[in-house]
Parts: sequence; structure tokens; C-alpha cells
Amino acid sequence: DGGITQSPKYLFRKEGQNVTLSCEQNLNHDAMYWYRQDPGQGLRLIYYSQIVNDFQKGDIAEGYSVSREKKESFPLTVTSAQKNPTAFYLCASSSDRDRAYTGELFFGEGSRLTVL
Amino acid sequence: AQTVTQSQPEMSVQEAETVTLSCTYDTSENNYYLFWYKQPPSRQMILVIRQEAYKQQNATENRFSVNFQKAAKSFSLKISDSQLGDTAMYFCAFAPYNQGGKLIFGQGTELSVKP
Repeated sequence: DGGITQSPKYLFRKEGQNVTLSCEQNLNHDAMYWYRQDPGQGLRLIYYSQIVNDFQKGDIAEGYSVSREKKESFPLTVTSAQKNPTAFYLCASSSDRDRAYTGELFFGEGSRLTVL
Repeated sequence: AQTVTQSQPEMSVQEAETVTLSCTYDTSENNYYLFWYKQPPSRQMILVIRQEAYKQQNATENRFSVNFQKAAKSFSLKISDSQLGDTAMYFCAFAPYNQGGKLIFGQGTELSVKP
């Protein structure tokens, strides 16, 4: 079945370490997104990419980095510069060609990162 | 700045009854989309319903319907005949026209459906 796969589901990290969250989609979607979810704050956009080899910062990009070398993949690295990395991270995708400008997102199951 | 506000952090409803979740937003845009997403305990977000701002008719999807008041910038979700499987966090979201998936989310409303 088509969908978005995030891994790992749970991740523990020591302070000062970088960690990379994986996001893979087989929906043939053009655009991919990373959102961060904290209790009581909804979802906030970290980074997004509308095409391979191109990406833009969202509202809370500081302390994060991404790459988009393949259409199917959009990994997120949480660096040691991110001051409060403990959160739930959601990857999403959308097809801006077939569903142009509808804004509808398809989400993965999320990755929970805990910094010890 | 565009914002989305959900003023009800938690709500509960008895099974088979109707419940309405509130959402207001602020924007100077004239063309945009509004969404309600559901996040069950499994944590995967699912689209419940979508409304296009230029359409006056309120969107409906089975037991889910919206009351879209453009002038008041209000977008409430009504769930009829509530079921136990409706227990979830519900997020209201806004997307300016022509900006793809750059959604702005509200804080969420946690809905509990009680037997």
C-alpha cells in the first residue's frame, strides 16, 4: 500500500548528539514536510521541500537540517544546536500537481524523540 | 500573521450524541483552504474534512460537517452520532491558496467519546 514511513518510532538521544529521522514516501508526491508537535501547541512547520534538491525553512528551522536528494526521501537531522529537541515529529507529503494547491497533507505515523 | 485558535482544549460527548468543536482563524487572505484533521491515539493524522473559502456551501463527509462563517472567520466541526472511534485529538488547520501544504494548525481539541 502507498504511504509514508517514518523511522524510528521512538528514539533516545543524549545531549550534544545529532540524530537523523527518516521519512520515505511511495505516493509519488512532489512536496514533503516536517512538522513538530508539542503538547498544547499544535503542529509547527520545520522544513519543507517542493522539489528534489530544493528545500525551504519553515517557522522553527533553527537547530534542524534536511536534505532532498531523492523524491521519495526527506530525512530530518536534529542537531545539538536544537535547544529543546524532545518532541513528536511528523513527516507529511502532498502532490502539488495532481491536487494543486489543495493543501491536503498525508502524514506518517511520527517519530518520538526524547533527549536524556 | 495568520493564526488558528481552538479554544476548547478538551471535550467529551456521550456515544450517539452530537458534538461541535470550535475553530477561529485570522488572515487577510481572501482565498484559502480550511481543514479538520483527526489524530487518534495511534498518532497518525487523518484528514476529516476540507473547505474551500470561495465555496459558500458547508462541506459534509458522512457524520462530519462544518459550519463555515467566512466573515466571522469561524470554522466549526460538527460530529453527529458520535462513535467510540471518534475519540481523538482534532486539529483545525488553515492553508493560504497556492501555498501547497504549508498548513497553520490550531492547538488541538482532545475529544473523548464515552459509552
